[in-house]
Amino acid sequence: NAGVTQTPKFQVLKTGQSMTLQCAQDMNHNSMYWYRQDPGMGLRLIYYSASEGTTDKGEVPNGYNVSRLNKREFSLRLESAAPSQTSVYFCASSELAGRGGNQPQHFGDGTRLSIL
Amino acid sequence: EDQVTQSPEALRLQEGESSSLNCSYTVSGLRGLFWYRQDPGKGPEFLFTLYSAGEEKEKERLKATLTKKESFLHITAPKPEDSATYLCAVGSSWGKLQFGAGTQVVVTP
Repeated sequence: NAGVTQTPKFQVLKTGQSMTLQCAQDMNHNSMYWYRQDPGMGLRLIYYSASEGTTDKGEVPNGYNVSRLNKREFSLRLESAAPSQTSVYFCASSELAGRGGNQPQHFGDGTRLSIL
Repeated sequence: EDQVTQSPEALRLQEGESSSLNCSYTVSGLRGLFWYRQDPGKGPEFLFTLYSAGEEKEKERLKATLTKKESFLHITAPKPEDSATYLCAVGSSWGKLQFGAGTQVVVTP
């Protein structure tokens, strides 16, 4: 079982360049998420997609865009990369939240992005 | 505003020396309390979900408990392979999680 697959695993960009981070899940989950993780700050939500066809901003959306391509795939795009976007990016997926509460999210192994 | 605070930031244990990690939270309506383990260079790995005060979950040497204001992750007789960063998260609104900064645990032989 692959779970959540992220590509690429590592990337170095120059300031101003653009790139797309890819994420795919094979667990038939409805909801998908993008986080960034910085030292001492924990995981912060960038964007999420509660279900296919919907996307919403999280805590730190500025400088990013997302596309929910289909139920399996959720991509994150940096249009004009800045050094402040140097981070580790994680994609996650979960079952749809219900009245009883949220469902656990399952994570990929991340994309390590450096912007010079 | 929702907040999640984990303590201590780092914990160094001898093999077999039991200890507890704390996760205190303030949230308007708790929609689950989640514990994860994260190894270097990897994504967080789900451990437990707790939904109600008084609830407990166990897995091998780990036991998670929940009150109305905090959760504890107890590590009983830890082994070196329990070394990792442990993350706590609260379900703060529909579908979303708010994460703490984590506790880094090192278990020495």
